[in-house]
Amino acid sequence: QQQVKQSPQSLIVQKGGISIINCAYENTAFDYFPWYQQFPGKGPALLIAIRPDVSEKKEGRFTISFNKSAKQFSLHIMDSQPGDSATYFCAASMSMRQGAQKLVFGQGTRLTINP
Amino acid sequence: DTEVTQTPKHLVMGMTNKKSLKCEQHMGHRAMYWYKQKAKKPPELMFVYSYEKLSINESVPSRFSPECPNSSLLNLHLHALQPEDSALYLCASSQPWAGAKNIQYFGAGTRLSVL
Repeated sequence: QQQVKQSPQSLIVQKGGISIINCAYENTAFDYFPWYQQFPGKGPALLIAIRPDVSEKKEGRFTISFNKSAKQFSLHIMDSQPGDSATYFCAASMSMRQGAQKLVFGQGTRLTINP
Repeated sequence: DTEVTQTPKHLVMGMTNKKSLKCEQHMGHRAMYWYKQKAKKPPELMFVYSYEKLSINESVPSRFSPECPNSSLLNLHLHALQPEDSALYLCASSQPWAGAKNIQYFGAGTRLSVL
């Protein structure tokens, strides 16, 4: 019930192309859906996030599409660049005791942008 | 400043050693988290402190002992670890009760090797 399923596991895109990563969840208690980007040897860094009452959010080349009825959300990276090569994690967040938030991560997508 | 600082960056320890990991943030966040990340896997939540009180323990073995001495500091005390505990240990912080605007900021992690 607390799982977040992410696909694909790995993705290779040509420079300038569109990278698309998909995620699905089951638990309707999740109230926030962030995407994190992680480079080797670094901690995850927040890329973009969306609330479940919003269907789309765009920040620069990054767009989240959210389908609440299907319990699915996706990340689109437009004009993909070699510097975007990293591992991307979708996540779902729920409120816990004393105001803390529990993040449940997808399994990750290793994105490679070929020059 | 959205920095979460973790020390040391790398740690090698024997199974009989006692060591500690340290995490510090100066963003005024009152929720702090420990995650464990194995290679090519997503971060897994271990502990959550909210307002310096342990809020969540995800059934972590007692050889891991967290401590939150004040609102800026989080420690993870390690004792009698096993080789399978080798992983990247990540600290994160966020503002409690931020609801759908909750953002967890991650440190770069401590790479732990248990021999």
